[in-house]
Amino acid sequence: AQKITQTQPGMFVQEKEAVTLDCTYDTSDPSYGLFWYKQPSSGEMIFLIYQGSYDQQNATEGRYSLNFQKARKSANLVISASQLGDSAMYFCAMREGTTGANNLFFGTGTRLTVIP
Amino acid sequence: EPEVTQTPSHQVTQMGQEVILRCVPISNHLYFYWYRQILGQKVEFLVSFYNNEISEKSEIFDDQFSVERPDGSNFTLKIRSTKLEDSAMYFCASNSGTLPYEQYFGPGTRLTVT
Repeated sequence: AQKITQTQPGMFVQEKEAVTLDCTYDTSDPSYGLFWYKQPSSGEMIFLIYQGSYDQQNATEGRYSLNFQKARKSANLVISASQLGDSAMYFCAMREGTTGANNLFFGTGTRLTVIP
Repeated sequence: EPEVTQTPSHQVTQMGQEVILRCVPISNHLYFYWYRQILGQKVEFLVSFYNNEISEKSEIFDDQFSVERPDGSNFTLKIRSTKLEDSAMYFCASNSGTLPYEQYFGPGTRLTVT
């Protein structure tokens, strides 16, 4: 089974609107972390936001928020007030366990296009 | 702001040749990683490195691959005898060793094997 599933290969959003990118995960480890990364066309991977499995509140970072629903094993990224510069690939990733050595498992990504 | 750097940005090599991809992680970070991304596919873990030894490796990281931290700053990935299917973007990442262990990625090296 895939550890991270992103079911939306592509999404479109109007500039200034909000958009939700879906992510579901699969793990039996009670301790895990969920991450979202942005990959612009230039190729680099930019860390956006993190949610820990024991965090009680949804994470927020500026215009990014993470809608964490633990029982459903989902960690959707919400981008508010979309900007043209938000057009990119977005990857959801998970770290199992609580050591720094644990690698990240990535989903297949969602390509977001912001329409002017 | 500190960042992970990688050189070269693009490497073209012939099948069977050895390549070394170089990375300079963020200076106070403790954990180092290599990932690869075949064009149009997801990012895949290769290896993690801590305290001068491999912590974990994936099944992709076979005997053709090796990693080294030859000094206090560089972190290298060597592919001994490249194959066509090694063509990919290779990312180096590092984390500080403190929660949430977010990994900061370098800009990547695009490896093309002909």
